[in-house]
Amino acid sequence: EAQVTQNPRYLITVTGKKLTVTCSQNMNHEYMSWYRQDPGLGLRQIYYSMNVEVTDKGDVPEGYKVSRKEKRNFPLILESPSPNQTSLYFCASSLGRYETQYFGPGTRLLVL
Amino acid sequence: AQSVTQLDSQVPVFEEAPVELRCNYSSSVSVYLFWYVQYPNQGLQLLLKYLSGSTLVKGINGFEAEFNKSQTSFHLRKPSVHISDTAEYFCAVTSSKAAGNKLTFGGGTRVLVKP
Repeated sequence: EAQVTQNPRYLITVTGKKLTVTCSQNMNHEYMSWYRQDPGLGLRQIYYSMNVEVTDKGDVPEGYKVSRKEKRNFPLILESPSPNQTSLYFCASSLGRYETQYFGPGTRLLVL
Repeated sequence: AQSVTQLDSQVPVFEEAPVELRCNYSSSVSVYLFWYVQYPNQGLQLLLKYLSGSTLVKGINGFEAEFNKSQTSFHLRKPSVHISDTAEYFCAVTSSKAAGNKLTFGGGTRVLVKP
């Protein structure tokens, strides 16, 4: 089944404790993105990647890092999480630049 | 810079009634427009998209949208809703000048279908 998977689905952590949210897609898509969803703000892009080793900042990259060492994986790293990073995070992938983006199920993060 | 405004944050509607969700965008270049739906506790899935061609776009589950360039709008409609259409709906835009695969989303419209 074609899908985007994310882990973990739920995470509670404390300020400053490094964490990684994994994202994997099995559709051989070139493009991958991370978004955060906050009430009333819709989804905002954090980082995106156009191919292996090619990543760039989205609208809200502060406090996040990403890497794309393999085509299928695009982990999101929070080196020192803060409470304002409490949010719902989505990973997405697409075949091309204007193609449909396929979203993972989301990761709900609470930073205390 | 591109932006999207969804004019209604919540839309209550009775089952079998029609619904229209409004979306306006701003962009100085050619745009590509999308509507996504998010069912409770799930990710987003595509309802429909406009890339070019006919301005009336038909999507899944009986939804359709009309691209109006002069009014910079891309309103979503369904003639008769079901309880299962209760969800949050997001309008999104990208353009030929947007970096990478950047999608700019509106704030979302929550649709609550009442029996």
